[in-house]
Amino acid sequence: QSALTQPASVSGSPGQSITISCTGTYSDIGVYNFVSWYQQHPGKAPKLIISEVSYRPSGVSTRFSGSKSADTASLTISGLRAEDEADYYCSSYTTSNTVVFGGGTKLTVL
Amino acid sequence: QVQLVESGGGVVQPGGSLRLSCSASGFIFSSYGIHWVRQAPGRGLEWVAVIWSDGYNRHYADSVKGRFTISRDNSRSTVYLQMNSLRAEDTALYYCTRGTSGTYSSDYWGLGTLVTVSS
Repeated sequence: QSALTQPASVSGSPGQSITISCTGTYSDIGVYNFVSWYQQHPGKAPKLIISEVSYRPSGVSTRFSGSKSADTASLTISGLRAEDEADYYCSSYTTSNTVVFGGGTKLTVL
Repeated sequence: QVQLVESGGGVVQPGGSLRLSCSASGFIFSSYGIHWVRQAPGRGLEWVAVIWSDGYNRHYADSVKGRFTISRDNSRSTVYLQMNSLRAEDTALYYCTRGTSGTYSSDYWGLGTLVTVSS
């Protein structure tokens, strides 16, 4: 159950787009379309922003989008805003009937 | 509205035990799986365990298998996490989350309960 691989940090200016990658294996992301993304602001509980690779729950901004290719999933945030500054985590269901998270990516809005 | 409230955290010595509770409201509890996810201070999220709506299917992270047991009482809308043989590395904020049906994601999270394992 190795953690999914995410970049430790990414940054962008307001209005720009950024993409965070999440690399797994053929025991998780490569097998299932059960990739989720969470946003966590400091001192707060995580919030689900993407499920099933690209599905946005009700109330989540359309500026957030998800995709997947082979064993790598991606989260794109367009039109960056100051309030997007947070930690982002990916997760995936695995062939062991468990869930695995990525190490997290800190997004800085310059 | 959907609410998940964790309780039972505290300070425990290495090798000790603790039972966490997750009390749910605002949805049909018996229809949903419940996960436990933990976050060590200053660290990332780590999935711990899940119990599905039937109460029989339960799965654990390798790091806690054999030491932690998840269970549920649908009559009380509560999920429990019995933690035995606790180690320093189990120190974390423990969240319970509602599992979305068939997608293995967590759509609602509690605020967490802090477990500190220290002598």
